[in-house]
Amino acid sequence: TQLLEQSPQFLSIQEGENLTVYCNSSSVFSSLQWYRQEPGEGPVLLVTVVTGGEVKKLKRLTFQFGDARKDSSLHITAAQPGDTGLYLCAGARRGSTLGRLYFGRGTQLTVWP
Amino acid sequence: ETGVTQTPRHLVMGMTNKKSLKCEQHLGHNAMYWYKQSAKKPLELMFVYSLEERVENNSVPSRFSPECPNSSHLFLHLHTLQPEDSALYLCASSQEYRLSSYNEQFFGPGTRLTVL
Repeated sequence: TQLLEQSPQFLSIQEGENLTVYCNSSSVFSSLQWYRQEPGEGPVLLVTVVTGGEVKKLKRLTFQFGDARKDSSLHITAAQPGDTGLYLCAGARRGSTLGRLYFGRGTQLTVWP
Repeated sequence: ETGVTQTPRHLVMGMTNKKSLKCEQHLGHNAMYWYKQSAKKPLELMFVYSLEERVENNSVPSRFSPECPNSSHLFLHLHTLQPEDSALYLCASSQEYRLSSYNEQFFGPGTRLTVL
């Protein structure tokens, strides 16, 4: 059983559309990160959220941490082909003394011109 | 060089070969990680080193042998691998390996390994 469930697994949209991807768990996290990974490369950190209810914006990307710190969402406005990639969420589990990150399986986003 | 670097970027090896993957971080971090990423699978944590001491070994077969000579360098020694070991091997680093507010990890570009 995956600690962090991401949905949808695949998303294929046209340039200019909006989209939301989700990261859900039954566990509480002390922090949650979103990464984007392009083919043949390592994941690149986009954002970290640490406070329940927190919203962070990064240009056209909006990240939200759930009030109970069990879930997060990533919303992209007016998607562009350059947004194509694998989006991974990862979290450090509350109650642990170690900094291990648990990763979701990812959402593969393809934005067509 | 900045961030986390990995060499080689691509490696093809036979099942009887011995090879090593190298990772170097230029971030002044104290923790380093090896992950395996296979198609259609989530990232699998293999090993964690904190201040050059191995602190996690997640049931990884002995044909994978890590080495951390100092806090900036991490190696993964490979021998008698199987075709199912073909994957993208990612190295990452973080400031510390303890629960903190951010727990951010920074990844290298990976080594694409193919075992014939």
